[in-house]
Amino acid sequence: EVQLLESGGGLEQPGGSLRLSCAATGFTLSNFAVTWVRQAPGKGPECIATIGGSGGVTLYADSVKGRFTISRDVSKRTVFLQINALRAEDTAVYYCAKGQGSLYFLLDFWGQGVLVTVSS
Amino acid sequence: IVMTQSPATLSVSPGERATLSCRASHSIYDNLAWYQQKPGQAPRLLIYGASTRATGIPTRFSGSGSGTDFALTISSLQSEDFAVYYCQNYGDWPAAFGQGTKVEI
Repeated sequence: EVQLLESGGGLEQPGGSLRLSCAATGFTLSNFAVTWVRQAPGKGPECIATIGGSGGVTLYADSVKGRFTISRDVSKRTVFLQINALRAEDTAVYYCAKGQGSLYFLLDFWGQGVLVTVSS
Repeated sequence: IVMTQSPATLSVSPGERATLSCRASHSIYDNLAWYQQKPGQAPRLLIYGASTRATGIPTRFSGSGSGTDFALTISSLQSEDFAVYYCQNYGDWPAAFGQGTKVEI
C-alpha cells in the first residue's frame, strides 16, 4: 500500500529555515517522481518542487526558486524539502505527492500534509 | 498555462446533476486531471486524461473535453460528494491547478 507521511512543519519566523520530510512506503523512490505541493489558506494547491525518479531532475516553481531545495535519500525512502529565507506568504499546508509513472506531475497518492506557519 | 474554473461555488441538491468547468489558457491536449478535496484532507485524484476515472472512483463521476475546455460531471450528487474540486494541467511544469469549485448543498 502506497503511503506518504510528512513531518517537520511548525511555526517559524520570517527569514528562518525549515526542513520538511516525506517518508514514502509502498513504492520505490527511484522509479517515481515525488512532488511537494503547498496550499495556502483558502487557495488552490500549488506545485512547488519535484524530483524525478532518476533523481537527476529537479524542478521548482518561480515562487520558491533559489530558496527551496528538494532532495531525497532512496535508502531511507525519504524526500526532503529544505526551505530557507521564509516569508509570510510561505504559510501553507505542505503535501508530498507521488507521480503516476511516466506522468510525473499526475499526483495519484498524497500525504496528509504538514502545516508551516511563518510569523514573528 | 493558467487554469480557470467556474463557477466558484455551485449550490446543488442531493440527487441532482452537477457540471463543473475548467478552461486552460492554452491547449493542454488531454493532460487534465480532476481532484476532490474535503475539509482537512489532501486532494484525491478522481479523473485523469480528461475522462479516465482513477482507481475506485464511482461511475457517477465523468470527465470530458480536450484542448482548452473541460468539464467534470457528477450525475447524481451524494452527500459525500459535497467538497471542493480542482482541475490540474499535469502535462508540463509547474503543473498548475485551478482555483477550485466548491460544491455545496
